[in-house]
Amino acid sequence: EIVLTQSPATLSLSPGERATLSCRASQSVSNYLAWYQQKPGQAPRLLIYDASNRATGIPARFSGSGSGTDFTLTISSLEAEDFAVYYCQQRSKWPPEYSFGQGTKLEIK
Amino acid sequence: QVQLVQSGAEVKKPGASVKVSCKASGYTFTGYGISWVRQAPGQGLEWMGWISAYNGNTNYAQKLQGRVTMTRDTSTSTAYMELRSLRSDDTAVYYCAKSSGSWNNWFDPWGQGTLVTVSS
Repeated sequence: EIVLTQSPATLSLSPGERATLSCRASQSVSNYLAWYQQKPGQAPRLLIYDASNRATGIPARFSGSGSGTDFTLTISSLEAEDFAVYYCQQRSKWPPEYSFGQGTKLEIK
Repeated sequence: QVQLVQSGAEVKKPGASVKVSCKASGYTFTGYGISWVRQAPGQGLEWMGWISAYNGNTNYAQKLQGRVTMTRDTSTSTAYMELRSLRSDDTAVYYCAKSSGSWNNWFDPWGQGTLVTVSS
C-alpha cells in the first residue's frame, strides 16, 4: 500500500499570501496524483489531476507540480474562499487501488 | 451535466448491514469506474473500493475485505455499496465518485454523501 504524507498538518496564512502544500508518497506514483479541496459539510472538489492539470473551472491561482514521490500544490494569492482542507490522492496498480493523504487544513491567520 | 445522486441517510444497529446507492447521469455509465470513499466525523478521507461499471470487476481496500460488496446495475446507471457487520466506527459519511481519466486516476465528480450512523 502506498502511503501519502501531507505537510504541514495546518497552515495559517492571510488573504493575499502564497500557500505551498506538500504531499510525499512512500514510493513512486509517477504523475498519478490529484488534489482536492473540501469545505465543511461539502463533498471534496477536484482541483488538480495527473499532478499538474487544473480541473475544469478551477482558478489559475491553483497550480500543481511534481512527479515520482514529491508533489506540491501552490495557491499563488489566497482568497477568502480558499480556506479549507486539502487532500492529495494517488492511484496505483490495476485494478486500481487508491489512497489519500491525511489532509492539510488551510486556516486564516 | 455529470452528476451522482446518492440515497438518503441511514441509522443502523451494530451487526446490521447497510446498502447505499449512487445514481449516475450525464455520461456513459459503463465507460468509467465508480469508487466509494468514506469520512468518519472530523477525520480524513478513506478509500473503500472500486467497481468497473463496464464489467463489474471490483477491488476492495484490504481493511474492508469480507465486509463490503460493490455492485452496479447498468440498466439504471446505478452503483451500490453494501457494508455488513456494522460497528460504531463505521459511522461516517459515505461518498461515491466517478473514477475519471483514461486510467481511472482521479475522482470527479463526487456524490453528495450519505451519512450512515451506527448506534445501539
